Amino acid sequence: EIVLTQSPGTLSLSPGERVTLSCRASQSVSSSYLAWYQQKPGQAPRVLIYGASSRATGIPDRFSGSGSGTDFTLTISRLEPEDFAVYYCQQYGSSPTFGGGTKVEIK
Amino acid sequence: EVKLLESGGGLVQPGGSLRLSCAASGFTFSSYAMSWVRQAPGKGLQWVSAISASGGGTYYADSVKGRFTISRDNSENTLYLQMNSLRAEDTAVYYCAKGVMTTRTYNWFDPWGQGTLVTVSS
Repeated sequence: EIVLTQSPGTLSLSPGERVTLSCRASQSVSSSYLAWYQQKPGQAPRVLIYGASSRATGIPDRFSGSGSGTDFTLTISRLEPEDFAVYYCQQYGSSPTFGGGTKVEIK
Repeated sequence: EVKLLESGGGLVQPGGSLRLSCAASGFTFSSYAMSWVRQAPGKGLQWVSAISASGGGTYYADSVKGRFTISRDNSENTLYLQMNSLRAEDTAVYYCAKGVMTTRTYNWFDPWGQGTLVTVSS
């Protein structure tokens, strides 16, 4: 099983700031089969990024993904009020696993 | 519009059974792999099980292998999860999720249903 470790656990930021979230895999993720999701309280997760760097349909271009192998990053170029949420990475190159999540909260 | 609607959750005693359903609409159900993903209260996401588009391939997390069975009825556009020998640690919101890549069973998920809560407690 591929273990995904997300850091930091929590980020306290202000609207307008740039955010960089990390997702590190215990072994290489094949074909960059890595996705990022956003989850708000009481809601189902919503996909943001797939294939490590491709934005899903309807996702604003302030969200971007990068990385390969074992190190992946989600960047939000400029935080909007609606972006405060929990973010999860997921690998699907083998039996799917999720990271523990990073909470982005308002400072 | 693609929609997934789960049902069947509820309170069950340890050792009991429950069957979850997920009604799909808005897409060609028989063309896509489907998965169940759960989230314990206040915790992160955990993939539970996946089934291929045809239903011929089924896959499970180690934590549920031998206790849970995933299945689908492509004529009824419905996904199922039969859960037996339930434990307290199975308490979670269970989401069904549509795989996106038609060539793979292991997939990224879009969309997700709204979830159904399963509580295992005496």
